[in-house]
Amino acid sequence: DAMVIQNPRYQVTQFGKPVTLSCSQTLNHNVMYWYQQKSSQAPKLLFHYYDKDFNNEADTPDNFQSRRPNTSFCFLDIRSPGLGDAAMYLCATSKLKIGRAGNQPQHFGDGTRLSIL
Amino acid sequence: GENVEQHPSTLSVQEGDSAVIKCTYSDSASNYFPWYKQELGKGSQLIIDIRSNVGEKKDQRIAVTLNKTAKHFSLHITETQPEDSAVYFCAASLAPYSGGSNYKLTFGKGTLLTVNP
Repeated sequence: DAMVIQNPRYQVTQFGKPVTLSCSQTLNHNVMYWYQQKSSQAPKLLFHYYDKDFNNEADTPDNFQSRRPNTSFCFLDIRSPGLGDAAMYLCATSKLKIGRAGNQPQHFGDGTRLSIL
Repeated sequence: GENVEQHPSTLSVQEGDSAVIKCTYSDSASNYFPWYKQELGKGSQLIIDIRSNVGEKKDQRIAVTLNKTAKHFSLHITETQPEDSAVYFCAASLAPYSGGSNYKLTFGKGTLLTVNP
């Protein structure tokens, strides 16, 4: 059963037209991440939520925003998509345990491939 | 910040042969090293991970070795099968002993493994 679900799998939008990608999880993980992955490149972290705390990467453009209304859902909003924003967008979750338990594995969804016309 | 280098970028082997992918990292404080497999059009799947308190971990045909002194870790796949063909990503992160955002994964650029029947 899918544990990190991204919708839609494929999204086409017009240049400059706002678009929202969604992610839901059934793992009850307290951390949710959004990555951008362009062709033949490594996933690049855009931002993540630790519970309700939003953590933006320093080089993430202002054009990218995120919302996490509850534990299960997280959204990626692109306010004015440009041609350079065409990519695969990956959502991931993990359970963060402070202390000796250390870092826990990140679980990825299948991604949303965004195309810009 | 952390920097992860991954080699080779492409690897082609015959079915039944072994495949080795190597990664180096720059931050000696990193202590968690996962490997992800990404099949075409899908998100990344964790296949094995290792923490800095062990030097080797094995799971059936997959093994990972870690050399903390040299700051490198490697993925070993034995008896390769065509279904092993995918892009493999290594990553490194810090354990969140003190909270904050120092548990982010830094990915290598990926290795495209092709197993020829």
